[in-house]
Amino acid sequence: SQQGEEDPQALSIQEGENATMNCSYKTSINNLQWYRQNSGRGLVHLILIRSNEREKHSGRLRVTLDTSKKSSSLLITASRAADTASYFCAAPENTGGFKTIFGAGTRLFVKA
Amino acid sequence: EPEVTQTPSHQVTQMGQEVILRCVPISNHLYFYWYRQILGQKVEFLVSFYNNEISEKSEIFDDQFSVERPDGSNFTLKIRSTKLEDSAMYFCASSEVKGRNEQFFGPGTRLTVL
Repeated sequence: SQQGEEDPQALSIQEGENATMNCSYKTSINNLQWYRQNSGRGLVHLILIRSNEREKHSGRLRVTLDTSKKSSSLLITASRAADTASYFCAAPENTGGFKTIFGAGTRLFVKA
Repeated sequence: EPEVTQTPSHQVTQMGQEVILRCVPISNHLYFYWYRQILGQKVEFLVSFYNNEISEKSEIFDDQFSVERPDGSNFTLKIRSTKLEDSAMYFCASSEVKGRNEQFFGPGTRLTVL
């Protein structure tokens, strides 16, 4: 698998439910970021978690990072129709490199 | 909170024309990047720039592309002779330190080549 692969590829839930998206990566990283992108629009930075952090919260978002499993999860609690978007994880290609590698994203659809 | 800005938000051009996409990175950042996202595809790395020179580039970044930091605040991506397949969202990013690699992305410029 490539650096930064999300699953599921698509997720459809009812408003009010929680949405969990997962991301796996291959190499050692010093940070991982999650972004949201509404259809055809720009990237919105959601949260950055560093390799020495296990969990981070921002409003209704909770991100976890398990460096032993090389995985991260994004939980959106009490989802709203406005949360409908694609969600990407992004991680450096390696700890000293220049590139950030994005996954293909999870398309989240929240039904009102 | 400081942020990366990009102009224009949407650029429409004719095939064969030159375009310049502009970015203002976060002011104390030293490393600058361009990424591209073709509609429905992944965000892909194009180039990184540090100390007024390219530090890394991808296979996509061919002779049609160039980057420049013309002054102390702007960072530009030029496409000399646009092709239809250059239609994409172009994202600029900047980071303070290479090793920590915490890149902050701008909102993007949508380039449409007709």
